[in-house]
Amino acid sequence: GQQLNQSPQSMFIQEGEDVSMNCTSSSIFNTWLWYKQDPGEGPVLLIALYKAGELTSNGRLTAQFGITRKDSFLNISASIPSDVGIYFCAGRYQGAQKLVFGQGTRLTINP
Amino acid sequence: SAVISQKPSRDICQRGTSLTIQCQVDSQVTMMFWYRQQPGQSLTLIATANQGSEATYESGFVIDKFPISRPNLTFSTLTVSNMSPEDSSIYLCSADRGPETQYFGPGTRLLVL
Repeated sequence: GQQLNQSPQSMFIQEGEDVSMNCTSSSIFNTWLWYKQDPGEGPVLLIALYKAGELTSNGRLTAQFGITRKDSFLNISASIPSDVGIYFCAGRYQGAQKLVFGQGTRLTINP
Repeated sequence: SAVISQKPSRDICQRGTSLTIQCQVDSQVTMMFWYRQQPGQSLTLIATANQGSEATYESGFVIDKFPISRPNLTFSTLTVSNMSPEDSSIYLCSADRGPETQYFGPGTRLLVL
């Protein structure tokens, strides 16, 4: 099925560093969602975006809905060990019921 | 947010058998979804389940292999039929909770020998 282009696929950073990841699509989305998945768990919703240009924060996490409606990014500031995991973006077309997922970004943090 | 539980959390099954996975939501929801996540991969939608109607399957997934029930607004089951080792995966259910968000269960880890 269709997937979003999510990058980078993996990141290896030092604790305290900031993190940035993004998703792009050839199609316009009405909604962008960002999830985090820990090992052995289901994805947990971090941030939901509904309007082009929208910038939303959740603690140290900030996500933006791109102006073109074809991209979104997620930033994590001052990373800590519990940020380790796989981050997925997901988009929803207007009127659609299902989500399209990115390939995921695996974040590893060196203490 | 919604609280979603799945049973079983994991199972090891023999080739040729079937496993039914249950998904329970803590409140009534219109849409429920079933995904498969193979090791190290992203989520792939199997089907969408509405209460009172047949599930809608994505390309590559068929009802005979993955029958789904949705008897009410808080519960759904996915059966993985006639299993083979290729069915070893994580199976996740999710539910729509407004506005336009989906929440996921913890997943069912299936190993087929």
